[in-house]
Amino acid sequence: NAGVTQTPKFQVLKTGQSMTLQCAQDMNHEYMSWYRQDPGMGLRLIHYSVGAGITDQGEVPNGYNVSRSTTEDFPLRLLSAAPSQTSVYFCASSGTSGGGGQFFGPGTRLTVL
Amino acid sequence: GDSVTQMEGPVTLSEEAFLTINCTYTATGYPSLFWYVQYPGEGLQLLLKATKADDKGSNKGFEATYRKETTSFHLEKGSVQVSDSAVYFCALRAMDSNYQLIWGAGTKLIIKP
Repeated sequence: NAGVTQTPKFQVLKTGQSMTLQCAQDMNHEYMSWYRQDPGMGLRLIHYSVGAGITDQGEVPNGYNVSRSTTEDFPLRLLSAAPSQTSVYFCASSGTSGGGGQFFGPGTRLTVL
Repeated sequence: GDSVTQMEGPVTLSEEAFLTINCTYTATGYPSLFWYVQYPGEGLQLLLKATKADDKGSNKGFEATYRKETTSFHLEKGSVQVSDSAVYFCALRAMDSNYQLIWGAGTKLIIKP
């Protein structure tokens, strides 16, 4: 199993550009989520999904969109990038097989100029 | 609401010292409790977990005991190594949660040779 994969690993955008961060898991987990991690801020939940076709907002959803058309994939879209979105983004998944814990991807380091 | 409080870092120790990182929580009922570790430049990895009172989670020489009476889940290791330098996150999953985790702010651990 590959676990949780994320692409790209690094990305530089200009203000106003849009892009999609990809996340996929091969563990058949129902729950998937996106976090951002900023220095001194810990983890903040952006959006999450409890199954295909179901998404909901987390703590900091503004400026981001998500969709969940399959169990495996949960892309995060930045609609119009802003410097405040410079961060490290982590995707995580969880299911009944994980004992309640979440499995994390390696992260995407995004810089918005 | 539910919350997790961790001791502030950084915590700096010499190699072979005894480690304690404090974690206390606020939640109703019996949440599941987790410790995650994040090595520099990487995603978070589940280190250990406990799902009921008096359970002891352990992994890689680290231990934590679920103390309902003190609502605590302190992380301990008898003899730390330089390779243990990382950020450690305490988290809880509420009894009625759909896999969402409530996170502590993280504690940076620095081990000096």
